[in-house]
Amino acid sequence: EIVMTQSPATLSVSPGERATLSCRASQSVSSNLAWYQQKPGQAPRLLIYGASTRATGIPARFSGSGSGTEFTLTISSLQSEDFAVYYCQQYNNWPPTWTFGQGTKVEIK
Amino acid sequence: EVQLVESGGGLVKPGGSLRLSCAASGFTFSSYSMNWVRQAPGKGLEWVSSISSSSSYIYYADSVKGRFTISRDNAKNSLYLQMNSLRAEDTAVYYCARVARATSYFDYWGQGTLVTVSS
Repeated sequence: EIVMTQSPATLSVSPGERATLSCRASQSVSSNLAWYQQKPGQAPRLLIYGASTRATGIPARFSGSGSGTEFTLTISSLQSEDFAVYYCQQYNNWPPTWTFGQGTKVEIK
Repeated sequence: EVQLVESGGGLVKPGGSLRLSCAASGFTFSSYSMNWVRQAPGKGLEWVSSISSSSSYIYYADSVKGRFTISRDNAKNSLYLQMNSLRAEDTAVYYCARVARATSYFDYWGQGTLVTVSS
């Protein structure tokens, strides 16, 4: 099983600042990596797929990078609506078994 | 507009059964693979099961294999999860999620239905 590890567990950031979230895979997942945002009481929402492609309607302040085992989600200038939990997910292996990281909570500093 | 609406959650005793449903609309349901993902209270996301568009390919997480059965009815635009031999650790919000075409990330999610397993 591919294990996804996210860091840090919690990130305290002031509005307008930059946030950098990390995700590491236990083995290469190529670019088959997605990021999701989840707010309290809501379903996850797709932000990034293919490691770096923004999903439809996602603001340009969200960007993803990386390949293989190391990935980064960057929020360039945090807005109030961006405080949430962010999960990475790999979708590379066969037979398919999707695995998520444990999440990074982005909170207001 | 793509919509996924789960139903069927509730309180069930350990060892009991429950059937979840997910009603899909706003897209050609029969063309997409679908998944169930769960989230225990205060915890992260866990993939549960996947079914291909024509039900030809079905996969389960080890944690539910032999107890849960995924199915779909393309004529009714509906996805199902039959859950048997339920355990306390199955307590979670269960989401249905659509798999994006030609790849396998999840592009749309329902709002979830809560399953509580407790005596």
